[in-house]
Amino acid sequence: QVQLQESGPGLVKPSETLSLTCSVSGGSISNYYGSWIRQPPGKGLEWIAYIYYSGSTNYNPSLKSRVTISVDTSKNQFSLKLSSVTAADTAVYYCARGPGSSSGWWDYWGQGTLVTVSS
Amino acid sequence: EIVLTQSPGTLSLSPGERATLSCRASQSVRSNYLAWYQQKPGQAPRLLIYGASSRATGIPDRFSGSGSGTDFTLTISRLEAEDFAVYYCQQSGSSPQTFGQGTKVEIK
Repeated sequence: QVQLQESGPGLVKPSETLSLTCSVSGGSISNYYGSWIRQPPGKGLEWIAYIYYSGSTNYNPSLKSRVTISVDTSKNQFSLKLSSVTAADTAVYYCARGPGSSSGWWDYWGQGTLVTVSS
Repeated sequence: EIVLTQSPGTLSLSPGERATLSCRASQSVRSNYLAWYQQKPGQAPRLLIYGASSRATGIPDRFSGSGSGTDFTLTISRLEAEDFAVYYCQQSGSSPQTFGQGTKVEIK
């Protein structure tokens, strides 16, 4: 059974960089897309970015200037960096994997990790 | 960017009743790249429907999706206790992918 697990600091200071890693177990990241999606407390879902195992990427224009997504197939992981964070970036961050060679939907999700931006 | 508007915001129903959830897109969704997710408190979203009408693996057949273009529907034929949750639609036919604001299905 494919499982995804987010890891990274739960507290980040304003103006600093948020860094998260998604570790995939029970299946490979190769030949799949991986994505980051976030959810502010009590609000809806916002897609951040996705990456194919080959390294090709797509970003949400609203965050593109601050986001970097990367993949390490040798570790079966993909990662997110979000720079110059503010309180508006406080959210539960989910990683997710798509089905096969599609980035159209996300069928495996991590449990999510709450990242709070505060001094 | 395509804006997805879900209605109603909250649906109050009893177990055994039929639930009909709407998702309307501001522009036509290409190739029916429309998915539905269920989210329960404290949990990650769960994929229910992809391609507007295909059920994801392990999803009971009481869940069905329909629609095309700009109007999509998720139907739960007979609500069971575990179906009370928030439901989101998502489009990926145009970048950026976007989600609707959600419909909460609550026990009446």
